[in-house]
Amino acid sequence: EADIYQTPRYLVIGTGKKITLECSQTMGHDKMYWYQQDPGMELHLIHYSYGVNSTEKGDLSSESTVSRIRTEHFPLTLESARPSHTSQYLCASSTGWVGTGELFFGEGSRLTVL
Amino acid sequence: QKEVEQDPGPLSVPEGAIVSLNCTYSNSAFQYFMWYRQYSRKGPELLMYTYSSGNKEDGRFTAQVDKSSKYISLFIRDSQPSDSATYLCATPLARGGADGLTFGKGTHLIIQP
Repeated sequence: EADIYQTPRYLVIGTGKKITLECSQTMGHDKMYWYQQDPGMELHLIHYSYGVNSTEKGDLSSESTVSRIRTEHFPLTLESARPSHTSQYLCASSTGWVGTGELFFGEGSRLTVL
Repeated sequence: QKEVEQDPGPLSVPEGAIVSLNCTYSNSAFQYFMWYRQYSRKGPELLMYTYSSGNKEDGRFTAQVDKSSKYISLFIRDSQPSDSATYLCATPLARGGADGLTFGKGTHLIIQP
């Protein structure tokens, strides 16, 4: 079982609120990722990090921001949530190149913005 | 054109049947392919990965790549109700040097007891 944890698992909030989705891993992986998944749709990479103080945008534009101050922690923040942000957010980590390695996923944070 | 495409299903088969799950990909330069399995309300987990063409077998699962037709397949023999999940094919991102994987939509598989 992967040692990567996401909180909260479920969150329902009103429009305009600031939210932070937490992601922590205890495997010491340098690489971490945030994916967005809507029902029946592909997972889309929105952010990734190669290590501490490294953050990059993925292939899907997102209004969220991320930070990587500690190796084990990769939080995602929405400054002002909107209904269009309603989705499932999946955090993942890996060691080495993803082509021959493995992405370890958390169980996801399901966000609903009213 | 999407980099990886798969039929979302659902695909419903009786227990014990052989299941065939398929994806097509757009870029002939792709060489690494993965299959991830995602149970309801869980994150995806890696099932298998393959390189270039040919078959790879792991227990009841066989992954196959046909580069001439840009087609990747996952076969499940002696399917079990516990195999009911969404199966996602994936390949490393090809755009702009970004790390990570690009995924298909996933095929929802239901094994009927």
